[in-house]
Amino acid sequence: DAKTTQPTSMDCAEGRAANLPCNHSTISGNEYVYWYRQIHSQGPQYIIHGLKNNETNEMASLIITEDRKSSTLILPHATLRDTAVYYCIVKRVNYGGSQGNLIFGKGTKLSVKP
Amino acid sequence: EAGVAQSPRYKIIEKRQSVAFWCNPISGHATLYWYQQILGQGPKLLIQFQNNGVVDDSQLPKDRFSAERLKGVDSTLKIQPAKLEDSAVYLCASSSPDPRVTLYEQYFGPGTRLTVT
Repeated sequence: DAKTTQPTSMDCAEGRAANLPCNHSTISGNEYVYWYRQIHSQGPQYIIHGLKNNETNEMASLIITEDRKSSTLILPHATLRDTAVYYCIVKRVNYGGSQGNLIFGKGTKLSVKP
Repeated sequence: EAGVAQSPRYKIIEKRQSVAFWCNPISGHATLYWYQQILGQGPKLLIQFQNNGVVDDSQLPKDRFSAERLKGVDSTLKIQPAKLEDSAVYLCASSSPDPRVTLYEQYFGPGTRLTVT
């Protein structure tokens, strides 16, 4: 599975949008981009995933560049409870076949400040 | 829907002792994973089960770690004997086998924090 590069840490003011970048320049055609986050003392939590189109759900938006070599996770109105480590992962998905594993890096520690 | 359950939440043992962790996945999830997360790092996959069969255990230190999922539901991870470097959080996760549901999204439990002294 491809590797990703993320900044070690970021700060964001409460109520503002948090934009978390991720580089995945060696991503393959059948690899999806997944984002998980881990709040202190909890297990990781799924946020969103995408292949090549932009995606939005109740938690966040995912913007993937046209060449798929990078992406940005957007939390539109960050709250203090969004303080967490955010992991960007690329994972192979084969319908009905063997799956790639989630390979976690160190992620980005997002601190939302009042 | 109930989440992934794990117990105990915390465990302190001395080196060379043995320890076991238990996981109950989300009902209907055929795939179960055990991860090890050392402080300051992301989780690392130890073993993956599909029903009661092992799919991937390439990163499981088999000289001291073992895991089973006898009836394809609950799972147990054991360490015997423990070393100081086994101090970590052990996370269990499960996923649905139906990609139409969530494209194999994994749901994680709260983890068991193990301290080896």
